[in-house]
Amino acid sequence: AQSVTQPDIHITVSEGASLELRCNYSYGATPYLFWYVQSPGQGLQLLLKYFSGDTLVQGIKGFEAEFKRSQSSFNLRKPSVHWSDAAEYFCAVGARVLTGGGNKLTFGTGTQLKVEL
Amino acid sequence: GAGVSQSPSNKVTEKGKDVELRCDPISGHTALYWYRQSLGQGLEFLIYFQGNSAPDKSGLPSDRFSAERTGGSVSTLTIQRTQQEDSAVYLCASSPATGPNSPLHFGNGTRLTVT
Repeated sequence: AQSVTQPDIHITVSEGASLELRCNYSYGATPYLFWYVQSPGQGLQLLLKYFSGDTLVQGIKGFEAEFKRSQSSFNLRKPSVHWSDAAEYFCAVGARVLTGGGNKLTFGTGTQLKVEL
Repeated sequence: GAGVSQSPSNKVTEKGKDVELRCDPISGHTALYWYRQSLGQGLEFLIYFQGNSAPDKSGLPSDRFSAERTGGSVSTLTIQRTQQEDSAVYLCASSPATGPNSPLHFGNGTRLTVT
């Protein structure tokens, strides 16, 4: 079964500083990987996704993530954080395992990002 | 365009009561998912609908939980005889197709509090 680990529950960075959020996954085949962001009281918004090809993927809001098969990691990065980036970030791995071909996403427990001005 | 709509946004109920949570997916999206987000935990898959196929109920935690999707559009998640451990945010998501190439679009969720 697939699983996702986000080892950092809380991270605090200063505005303008760089950011890296860690994600490690466990899955027996080529993973489909996602990063979502959740602002307070909101649903989850897709930041970026990786299916195949270039291991460095670009997303919205200036985020990027790098897939490293050898490390089973898919870390999220941003060169310069803005105060509006404060939110909770979820890494997820997807597998087409549901009846009818659905994509079951398994989420990590999330990393809460705080941005200091 | 309109996103996934969930109602109510907040629901407080007494232990033992039944509750219904509603989800309006994005028009034209054939796949619909329910997830549960408990405090301090990640998202837990509950149930999946695809078109007119039988739903995948493999994530429902007990037989007190059920869901239906009428006409391939609106879905209702029902929790019978609610317990305090059912308190969580229930998120609905829809997708235009099946498979990993089709990311999920989430609603803002229903926050359920069982007192």
